[in-house]
Amino acid sequence: KAGVTQTPRYLIKTRGQQVTLSCSPISGHRSVSWYQQTPGQGLQFLFEYFSETQRNKGNFPGRFSGRQFSNSRSEMNVSTLELGDSALYLCASSPPGLASPLHFGNGTRLTVT
Amino acid sequence: QKEVEQDPGPLSVPEGAIVSLNCTYSNSAFQYFMWYRQYSRKGPELLMYTYSSGNKEDGRFTAQVDKSSKYISLFIRDSQPSDSATYLCAMTSDQTGANNLFFGTGTRLTVIP
Repeated sequence: KAGVTQTPRYLIKTRGQQVTLSCSPISGHRSVSWYQQTPGQGLQFLFEYFSETQRNKGNFPGRFSGRQFSNSRSEMNVSTLELGDSALYLCASSPPGLASPLHFGNGTRLTVT
Repeated sequence: QKEVEQDPGPLSVPEGAIVSLNCTYSNSAFQYFMWYRQYSRKGPELLMYTYSSGNKEDGRFTAQVDKSSKYISLFIRDSQPSDSATYLCAMTSDQTGANNLFFGTGTRLTVIP
């Protein structure tokens, strides 16, 4: 079974631009979560989508948004990029069931210059 | 104070050694506990998943949870050079949303042949 796929692997953007990251979950997984990983803050929860609805949200500004499609694929958007948004963005999916463990993709490395 | 504390290391051990990795936490509501392994330029890979207190063994890996002390551990027996990676503890609860994981900062482990 294929794992969580994230595209692109690397991105370089300029301050003020916006960016869209894509995630394809493991087949059969309907929940998709996004995390930001930085050396200073570690892994931090951004949001979770289930059945095309945002089910939970972390403590990030409104510049960070996401959506999920009917095939469970998800996209994350960051508008008005800041230098501090440089990070590894990780997508994770989980199977149906209460408190099922998360399976992560290899992430998109975003660099903002 | 961060909700999850983890010694960042780095930790360097000879091949065959027993490795002990630990995390402490402050939120007594946490009930699901995980250990992830992350290789360079890869996403976190789930190693162990436990619910509430107790021990769980899987091959060379043993996870322990002591909720009364708010302390979790991962033991690696007969460590191998391929175990060299960053180990992340993570935990969550039904209250925060089971996909909203709270991570430690990670311990970098090097196993020397």
